[in-house]
Amino acid sequence: EDQVTQSPEALRLQEGESSSLNCSYTVSGLRGLFWYRQDPGKGPEFLFTLYSAGEEKEKERLKATLTKKESFLHITAPKPEDSATYLCAVQAGETSGSRLTFGEGTQLTVNP
Amino acid sequence: DAGITQSPRHKVTETGTPVTLRCHQTENHRYMYWYRQDPGHGLRLIHYSYGVKDTDKGEVSDGYSVSRSKTEDFLLTLESATSSQTSVYFCAIRGTSGRLGEQFFGPGTRLTVL
Repeated sequence: EDQVTQSPEALRLQEGESSSLNCSYTVSGLRGLFWYRQDPGKGPEFLFTLYSAGEEKEKERLKATLTKKESFLHITAPKPEDSATYLCAVQAGETSGSRLTFGEGTQLTVNP
Repeated sequence: DAGITQSPRHKVTETGTPVTLRCHQTENHRYMYWYRQDPGHGLRLIHYSYGVKDTDKGEVSDGYSVSRSKTEDFLLTLESATSSQTSVYFCAIRGTSGRLGEQFFGPGTRLTVL
């Protein structure tokens, strides 16, 4: 059974204080790992797809990295508008229909 | 926003009543998904569709049925709603960009079963 665990559950940062969110996964044949951002009362918003260990993707203050066991979402010099819940999901090689397995998310709060 | 709308956006109903949620997309995507999101569980797949009249179960399909008679509409039905089905329901489509086709989500429907 595919499993995704995100840590920490919640993270409070001061504006400008860089940090990382973790996504550990157990999956049979990873096809892709996805990061989403979710604001309160809204649907998840796609950020990145990572396909293989060693791959990195960047978008503004966010950088996602992937190893064979986990992914990190690095947030550099965050701003209050980066406050959101960040979700990680995996797609395994054996799943049909491009199904995703999600973690429970990390709730990030950035204080001004 | 991938042209996805969900209706209704909020609904309060009573135990035992049937409820149908609608997902509508405007971009002719083949794959559509229904998830529920609950504290402590994250997003879980209920059902998905890979074409008109082609559907399959997800990990939490008990108590739910789906139908897709047109490419643009994917309906989720709770035959007899229970309090355990109080949740936020999200519809998603699989896009056509990228190697795997990323999923894009609608705005959600908040359902309360009293």
